[in-house]
Amino acid sequence: DPKIIQKPKYLVAVTGSEKILICEQYLGHNAMYWYRQSAKKPLEFMFSYSYQKLMDNQTASSRFQPQSSKKNHLDLQITALKPDDSATYFCASSRPPGHNYAEQFFGPGTRLTVL
Amino acid sequence: QQQVRQSPQSLTVWEGETAILNCSYEDSTFDYFPWYHQFPGESPALLIAIRPVSNKKEDGRFTIFFNKREKKFSLHIADSQPGDSATYFCAASAGNTGNYKYVFGAGTRLKVIA
Repeated sequence: DPKIIQKPKYLVAVTGSEKILICEQYLGHNAMYWYRQSAKKPLEFMFSYSYQKLMDNQTASSRFQPQSSKKNHLDLQITALKPDDSATYFCASSRPPGHNYAEQFFGPGTRLTVL
Repeated sequence: QQQVRQSPQSLTVWEGETAILNCSYEDSTFDYFPWYHQFPGESPALLIAIRPVSNKKEDGRFTIFFNKREKKFSLHIADSQPGDSATYFCAASAGNTGNYKYVFGAGTRLKVIA
């Protein structure tokens, strides 16, 4: 059974629309992350959460908003989509900061295409 | 500056040879250095990782060499196999600051020819 679930696997959106990318992890981790991968910027860190609280935000735009409704969920809402947002978005999880074990496990990704 | 530089961008080796992938960093707060590999259409998966208390970490055919003074680390893949063909990413994190975000290198596309 997959330990990190991302939905949907593929997503096509029109410019200006809004989409939500879903991430659920079943590894018992309390830290979750979002990364973005595109041809221009391979594996770029976006957000980190620990115990459902925002730890770090490296995105320059407020159009990207993480949402954590449960401790094993970290969704990503993207508003006013632009073609430059086209990328594969990976969710990851790990034990929380302060723990001695930092390995991050990545989900399968959501490939977003903005037309 | 929180940046990780990776080279070469692409590397081709023959089956059986040792592939050497290199990374460097500037931020002295980094204290954890993992290597991930990624096959086309898949997500990154952890291969091996090292902390600065060691200058070498081995796991089968994969070895990390770490030079704290020069802020460099490398991945050596011994006896390379065609199945090792993938993109390899080095990364660094500063867990001692309480944030485990990874800063990734740009990746090395490895091709192993049989």
